[in-house]
Amino acid sequence: GENVEQHPSTLSVQEGDSAVIKCTYSDSASNYFPWYKQELGKRPQLIIDIRSNVGEKKDQRIAVTLNKTAKHFSLHITETQPEDSAVYFCAARNMDSNYQLIWGAGTKLIIKP
Amino acid sequence: GAGVSQSPRYKVAKRGQDVALRCDPISGHVSLFWYQQALGQGPEFLTYFQNEAQLDKSGLPSDRFFAERPEGSVSTLKIQRTQQEDSAVYLCASSLTSGVGETQYFGPGTRLLVL
Repeated sequence: GENVEQHPSTLSVQEGDSAVIKCTYSDSASNYFPWYKQELGKRPQLIIDIRSNVGEKKDQRIAVTLNKTAKHFSLHITETQPEDSAVYFCAARNMDSNYQLIWGAGTKLIIKP
Repeated sequence: GAGVSQSPRYKVAKRGQDVALRCDPISGHVSLFWYQQALGQGPEFLTYFQNEAQLDKSGLPSDRFFAERPEGSVSTLKIQRTQQEDSAVYLCASSLTSGVGETQYFGPGTRLLVL
């Protein structure tokens, strides 16, 4: 089955700088990769996702890149703001089913003022 | 419209007690998922419903865990004879269909503490 690893576990960046979070997956057949943001005590919320037929997707300050050959995908946040502080989770679709997501362990992003 | 709701938001149980956690998905959503999220970890899949059919319960950690969705809308996750290791946040999510890439919308979770 699928296995997803995420790093770093904690990332601290200066406000205005960029943040990059990386994930690797094990199943080359996986084809859907969402990123969720979870603020303390709140529910996970989808912020961006990418399918395996594209290499990059952008939405304002957020972008995701996918390297299928290397089986890794990354979240890029530019011009970070205090409200970006949260835990970010990557996930990959488990190809053994048509719905199950396998999640990374999360990255705690801290934006320093 | 209303999002996914869960109740109770917090539950304290004594070891050995039975608990029932409720999920109200977004109206019309076909798919419903239950996840367990331990402190500092990502959500772990427990079970999946497509309408009233429980298509996958491979993530349920033991036979003390039971889930149902009898009318294809509200779902209940029941934990019998709770143990301390059951302490976690239980998240429910729903999606409109079961298609690839269908966004899962999460509820606020039920924080279960077993003493």
